[in-house]
Amino acid sequence: AQSVTQLGSHVSVSEGALVLLRCNYSSSVPPYLFWYVQYPNQGLQLLLKYTSAATLVKGINGFEAEFKKSETSFHLTKPSAHMSDAAEYFCAVSDQTGANNLFFGTGTRLTVIP
Amino acid sequence: EAGVVQSPRYKIIEKKQPVAFWCNPISGHNTLYWYLQNLGQGPELLIRYENEEAVDDSQLPKDRFSAERLKGVDSTLKIQPAELGDSAVYLCASSPGRGEAFFGQGTRLTVV
Repeated sequence: AQSVTQLGSHVSVSEGALVLLRCNYSSSVPPYLFWYVQYPNQGLQLLLKYTSAATLVKGINGFEAEFKKSETSFHLTKPSAHMSDAAEYFCAVSDQTGANNLFFGTGTRLTVIP
Repeated sequence: EAGVVQSPRYKIIEKKQPVAFWCNPISGHNTLYWYLQNLGQGPELLIRYENEEAVDDSQLPKDRFSAERLKGVDSTLKIQPAELGDSAVYLCASSPGRGEAFFGQGTRLTVV
């Protein structure tokens, strides 16, 4: 079974500061890992994905995440926050056995302070 | 390429009434998901289809919820009768595989 834990339901950063959103996963098989962003009253949009190729994954809007097997982590970072980054961010895990089930964390709300 | 289309976007119904949500996935995506999202929470899987087969419906409350995916394309999720606790956003997503999902904008259901 797979699951993800997102540490910190709310994160606030100043505009231009580093963004770090934490995600730890649990999986009995090699995982696929994803970060999604959700703006108010919208569906979820894929930011980036790890599918067992490079461990450092670059996504849209300047975000990136690093898969660390030893730490079972997949933290999301962005060097410089922009006001438009304010949103809800979800980490998700699937597995490489082909089951295709996708499990989400509880989300982290990012606030960017001008 | 068109994304996942859901309708309606918003629905307000009285408790004990039936309601249905419709989803048109991205063309060629064999996997279709229905998720439930409560306010301030992450999406929770209700049912997953591979083509027209429901391969995981373990989290679907079958006493009042039902779903179908005719011809392995469009899907409908139904609630009958609706309860106050069903108020939430219902998300549909489709996938080309590997768990990567593309989401529709969701249907916000309010049961009064």
